[in-house]
Amino acid sequence: GAGVSQSPSNKVTEKGKDVELRCDPISGHTALYWYRQSLGQGLEFLIYFQGNSAPDKSGLPSDRFSAERTGGSVSTLTIQRTQQEDSAVYLCASSLHSSDTEAFFGQGTRLTVV
Amino acid sequence: AQSVTQLGSHVSVSEGALVLLRCNYSSSVPPYLFWYVQYPNQGLQLLLKYTSAATLVKGINGFEAEFKKSETSFHLTKPSAHMSDAAEYFCAVSHMDSSYKLIFGSGTRLLVRP
Repeated sequence: GAGVSQSPSNKVTEKGKDVELRCDPISGHTALYWYRQSLGQGLEFLIYFQGNSAPDKSGLPSDRFSAERTGGSVSTLTIQRTQQEDSAVYLCASSLHSSDTEAFFGQGTRLTVV
Repeated sequence: AQSVTQLGSHVSVSEGALVLLRCNYSSSVPPYLFWYVQYPNQGLQLLLKYTSAATLVKGINGFEAEFKKSETSFHLTKPSAHMSDAAEYFCAVSHMDSSYKLIFGSGTRLLVRP
């Protein structure tokens, strides 16, 4: 696609439910990043993929958070047993390769846990 | 470890006035530095980046920033503010040893008065 695509754009879920957020990076981009933007914490790094592997998961806040990437393309961020503090905008970014310093961001998924 | 400090969570200028948004970084290794802009309900757009070439970097929409190693600063400037510049601006740092993940400052909201 022309840009990084994220879906859904908005998600409201009940506390305790699981959610899946999807990121479709720019075609051919091998590096993919997930970030979280919240009022209290600002913009935080969550996880980095190079191809299908995740060499840096250091930003995942708890074991309720996981992510995978298949076919070197689409990535899914899963949050299990959602809590109210998980409410945030989840942003995905991709870059051509791991040493490419320019990352392109999607519009984000706004997650609200009620 | 890397970190970014943005002085001033809100900056207000008159249309046509100079814009100056401050960013200081901390990095134990030579950094890559970035300024991103975020318009309401949108993702992040790269304004400009410093990657060890020229210390004065020109970006889109008339913005520029100067890398000053002695001051560990990367302030963003624009000679004449336009109403369309009203947005939130984020300074970020990355490095190859940390997967090129972006470490963001807390952001500065720019208000432009008519």
